[in-house]
Amino acid sequence: DTEVTQTPKHLVMGMTNKKSLKCEQHMGHRAMYWYKQKAKKPPELMFVYSYEKLSINESVPSRFSPECPNSSLLNLHLHALQPEDSALYLCASSRQLAGGSYEQYFGPGTRLTVT
Amino acid sequence: AQKITQTQPGMFVQEKEAVTLDCTYDTSDPSYGLFWYKQPSSGEMIFLIYQGSYDQQNATEGRYSLNFQKARKSANLVISASQLGDSAMYFCAMREEGGATNKLIFGTGTLLAVQP
Repeated sequence: DTEVTQTPKHLVMGMTNKKSLKCEQHMGHRAMYWYKQKAKKPPELMFVYSYEKLSINESVPSRFSPECPNSSLLNLHLHALQPEDSALYLCASSRQLAGGSYEQYFGPGTRLTVT
Repeated sequence: AQKITQTQPGMFVQEKEAVTLDCTYDTSDPSYGLFWYKQPSSGEMIFLIYQGSYDQQNATEGRYSLNFQKARKSANLVISASQLGDSAMYFCAMREEGGATNKLIFGTGTLLAVQP
């Protein structure tokens, strides 16, 4: 089973709202990722967690706050977003970060609209 | 610096025919990995196939095969017997040099339309 789930599927939020995106995998993967994808563009990496510790932050603004409560769950907390943050947010997981060619398995994404 | 180039913004193919999606790459790392992902309009990125730089044979997965030409630095995806469900955006990607982060460098993608 190579399933990564994400909730919600769609989210509309105002610039003063606080919301969270959730990602879950039960493949025993120890690396999890958040990507942002604008229309007709490739995904852009935001954060990487390895063994529940933040490994990479691609200079993402602090209005995005990731959290990895356990090895199966990854959250992205959103606060005071801007309209330009509207995008598809993809979560992915892989067995590990280093030591092999670990393909990433993606979830279906959350389509976020900031009004 | 590493780079992935997909020169075909869009492609058409007739159902049941084969199609080749081009991907060239540039890296100074002798050890690297190349990936192809499919993204339907629903948004999910679906892993298709992987090729390692030291793999002697071209990777194959069902109707997907990777035409790996190391000297030319190309890793083209071949889809045989196209189906209507193959209509999607296809991304070629490379793992970042060093391999310690598993960070992927993506190409700009090719939008494939399969016609009945």
